[in-house]
Amino acid sequence: SQTIHQWPATLVQPVGSPLSLECTVEGTSNPNLYWYRQAAGRGLQLLFYSVGIGQISSEVPQNLSASRPQDRQFILSSKKLLLSDSGFYLCAWRGAAWTEAFFGQGTRLTVV
Amino acid sequence: SQELEQSPQSLIVQEGKNLTINCTSSKTLYGLYWYKQKYGEGLIFLMMLQKGGEEKSHEKITAKLDEKKQQSSLHITASQPSHAGIYLCGAPNTGTASKLTFGTGTRLQVTL
Repeated sequence: SQTIHQWPATLVQPVGSPLSLECTVEGTSNPNLYWYRQAAGRGLQLLFYSVGIGQISSEVPQNLSASRPQDRQFILSSKKLLLSDSGFYLCAWRGAAWTEAFFGQGTRLTVV
Repeated sequence: SQELEQSPQSLIVQEGKNLTINCTSSKTLYGLYWYKQKYGEGLIFLMMLQKGGEEKSHEKITAKLDEKKQQSSLHITASQPSHAGIYLCGAPNTGTASKLTFGTGTRLQVTL
């Protein structure tokens, strides 16, 4: 069965420090991968998505970047965090058939 | 870009009552996902609707897709405290189907 791993679950980082959040998927190949941010409230803001290795589409120009070094690995990064980067980050994958799309458990990032 | 509007934004119902949540798209729907989220956690996949008129059920939760109205409705029968949470709808973007856009969510509280 398919599984998605996202870590860490919580992270407290000082302003100006780098960031690396990792997401890996098991049990599927060539998935569409996504990074979302959820601010206080409910909406999900799409940050990046990838349809294949090395293919990244950015939705919101900002202080973050994403990379997909392997088929089932998606990384969210920042060179220097800002206070406004705080939030709940969610990774998701969607299989080739697009009949299902699953989310990781999320990372709560607090920039102090 | 495609937008998904959910209504109501929040809902308080008494245990045992039925309720309906709507998700309306600004553009043609080519499928729709429904999720449930507990505060601070990842999204739990409920179901995906692919065709107009399609109706699916997950335990006491039923969802239907109306392509003509560009809308999906999620209905909970005999609500229970375990149904409390945030319900979100998501859809592939018209034009760029790899993108997944989400609504702002409906917060459901179930009182005893």
